[in-house]
Amino acid sequence: AQSVTQPDIHITVSEGASLELRCNYSYGATPYLFWYVQSPGQGLQLLLKYFSGDTLVQGIKGFEAEFKRSQSSFNLRKPSVHWSDAAEYFCAVGAHGDYKLSFGAGTTVTVRA
Amino acid sequence: GAGVSQSPSNKVTEKGKDVELRCDPISGHTALYWYRQSLGQGLEFLIYFQGNSAPDKSGLPSDRFSAERTGGSVSTLTIQRTQQEDSAVYLCASSLQLETSGSQETQYFGPGTRLLVL
Repeated sequence: AQSVTQPDIHITVSEGASLELRCNYSYGATPYLFWYVQSPGQGLQLLLKYFSGDTLVQGIKGFEAEFKRSQSSFNLRKPSVHWSDAAEYFCAVGAHGDYKLSFGAGTTVTVRA
Repeated sequence: GAGVSQSPSNKVTEKGKDVELRCDPISGHTALYWYRQSLGQGLEFLIYFQGNSAPDKSGLPSDRFSAERTGGSVSTLTIQRTQQEDSAVYLCASSLQLETSGSQETQYFGPGTRLLVL
């Protein structure tokens, strides 16, 4: 079965600074990888996904993520954070032929002025 | 087009009561999923529908939980004899039908129903 680890529970970053959120997965084959964002009181919004092909994936809101098979990682990055990026971020992994996603515990991002 | 909708958005109930949570998937999405997000926990998969059939119910926490889907569209998650530990956000997601190749389809989530059992 696949699993996901998000090592950072909480990250605080200054507005305008860069952000990187870590995600490590465990899965025997090539996974399907997702990043979702959840603002307070809201559902999950898809930021980006990796299925195959180019390992650097561009998403919405200026986010990108890079799939590194050798490190079993799919870290999320943003060059310059805005106050509106304060939210909880979830990494998820899906398996070929499977229907459910396995989610990490989430990373809460706080943006300070 | 419209996204996944869920109702009610919030539900407060007394321990022992039954509750029904509703999910309207994106039009044309034949796959539907229920997840639970408890305080301090990650997202926990509950059940998956392909059309009106639920091939896997193994994520349901107990026999007090049940779900159905009718007309390949709306789904209802029912919790009988609610307990305080059932308090959580219940999220519904939908996706296009899984292709025969078995490739993963992107799941689109609704806003969730926040359930509080007193």
